[in-house]
Amino acid sequence: DAGVIQSPRHEVTEMGQEVTLRCKPISGHDYLFWYRQTMMRGLELLIYFNNNVPIDDSGMPEDRFSAKMPNASFSTLKIQPSEPRDSAVYFCASSFLGVTGELFFGEGSRLTVL
Amino acid sequence: SQELEQSPQSLIVQEGKNLTINCTSSKTLYGLYWYKQKYGEGLIFLMMLQKGGEEKSHEKITAKLDEKKQQSSLHITASQPSHAGIYLCGADIGGTSYGKLTFGQGTILTVHP
Repeated sequence: DAGVIQSPRHEVTEMGQEVTLRCKPISGHDYLFWYRQTMMRGLELLIYFNNNVPIDDSGMPEDRFSAKMPNASFSTLKIQPSEPRDSAVYFCASSFLGVTGELFFGEGSRLTVL
Repeated sequence: SQELEQSPQSLIVQEGKNLTINCTSSKTLYGLYWYKQKYGEGLIFLMMLQKGGEEKSHEKITAKLDEKKQQSSLHITASQPSHAGIYLCGADIGGTSYGKLTFGQGTILTVHP
C-alpha cells in the first residue's frame, strides 16, 4: 500500500512568494494532520481535518497560512506571503478512528525561505 | 512549557551499550506513542502503549508506560549504529483515539561504532 505522499520534498523560495505544499493521505483514512517541525519548537500540530472538514486550526501561526482539503485524497497547505521564519519541515499525517490511533506520516516537505 | 518533556535531549553512546530515553507528561496519558526519525525523513512508528504498566518490545527496543507517573521510557539494549536517529514520544492527551498527538522535543541518538 502507498503511504502518505507529500510534494514537493524540497522547496526553496524567496521571501514574499506563495508556497503550496501538497498531501495525499492513505486511502480510507478519515483524519488528516499538518505538522511543522523546527529545531526550536519541535513538532507542532498546525491543523487537522476529519472527513475533509477542518476541525481545529488553532495551531496555524497566522493568517498567512491556510489549508484546504477539497476531497478525501488531497490536501494543501498554503503560505502567502512566505517569510524566512516559515522555514521548516512540514509533515502531513493521516489516521482513522480506531483502537490504536496511530499516525502515519509522509516523508515531509522541507521549506527554505530566503 | 512543554506538555511532553523528553530526556535527555541528546545521547551519544558506544555501539553495544544500553540506553534509556524518558518521556514525561504534564497531563493524563490516554496513549503514548514512540516514533523514530532519520534526518530528512518522516517518522516511523515504533510502538504504542495504552495501559498503565504496559510493556512492549520490538527487537532490541523496549518501551514501558508508568501511568501513575505519567511517564514512559524507551530502552535500547546493545545499541547498534542502525539505532541512531531522533526518537520522539507522542501522546494522546485528549483521549481522541484518532491520532491527534502532542509530541516531545525529541532525543537525538548517536551510536559510535
